[in-house]
Amino acid sequence: AQTVTQSQPEMSVQEAETVTLSCTYDTSESDYYLFWYKQPPSRQMILVIRQEAYKQQNATENRFSVNFQKAAKSFSLKISDSQLGDAAMYFCAYRNYGGSQGNLIFGKGTKLSVKP
Amino acid sequence: KAGVTQTPRYLIKTRGQQVTLSCSPISGHRSVSWYQQTPGQGLQFLFEYFSETQRNKGNFPGRFSGRQFSNSRSEMNVSTLELGDSALYLCASSLVPATNTEAFFGQGTRLTVV
Repeated sequence: AQTVTQSQPEMSVQEAETVTLSCTYDTSESDYYLFWYKQPPSRQMILVIRQEAYKQQNATENRFSVNFQKAAKSFSLKISDSQLGDAAMYFCAYRNYGGSQGNLIFGKGTKLSVKP
Repeated sequence: KAGVTQTPRYLIKTRGQQVTLSCSPISGHRSVSWYQQTPGQGLQFLFEYFSETQRNKGNFPGRFSGRQFSNSRSEMNVSTLELGDSALYLCASSLVPATNTEAFFGQGTRLTVV
């Protein structure tokens, strides 16, 4: 069974600085998707960034980028120029490619605080 | 375009009762998944529906059930409620299942069992 591990329950960053959230996963599949979701106090999960395992290039979305290391099964999220609105729970998630196992498998989350 | 709508937002039930939660996906989305979120267990997958058929089910007891209607709206039901069923229940919709298309989440239903 696939698992996702986020080893940092809480992180803190100063406004305008950079922070990296860690995520490791375990799978025997070669094709899959990885995601980072943000959950602010409003509780709604918002997709931050996604990565297809077959793509070697790291995904980037504005201030958010990932470091995808397939061999190491590592998928970290870097937030540059942190803003107060980035404060939230961040969840790393895994999804198999195709088949019947299409559900998302989430890590336990990292609570990010942004200090002004 | 309206987002994923979950009703009700908050619910308080007594042990032993049953509850039904509703999820209306984004227009045009045919896949709906349900997740349970608790502080201890985190986010756990409950089930996934596509075209009125359950495609996948998580490791939950039979007290948890769901269905999907022809308009893609979905309901989940929990019978004989236990204190441990207190959680945030999140629904997500996507165009089709098991792809890299984004799953859009609703704001959830907060269920408290007393």
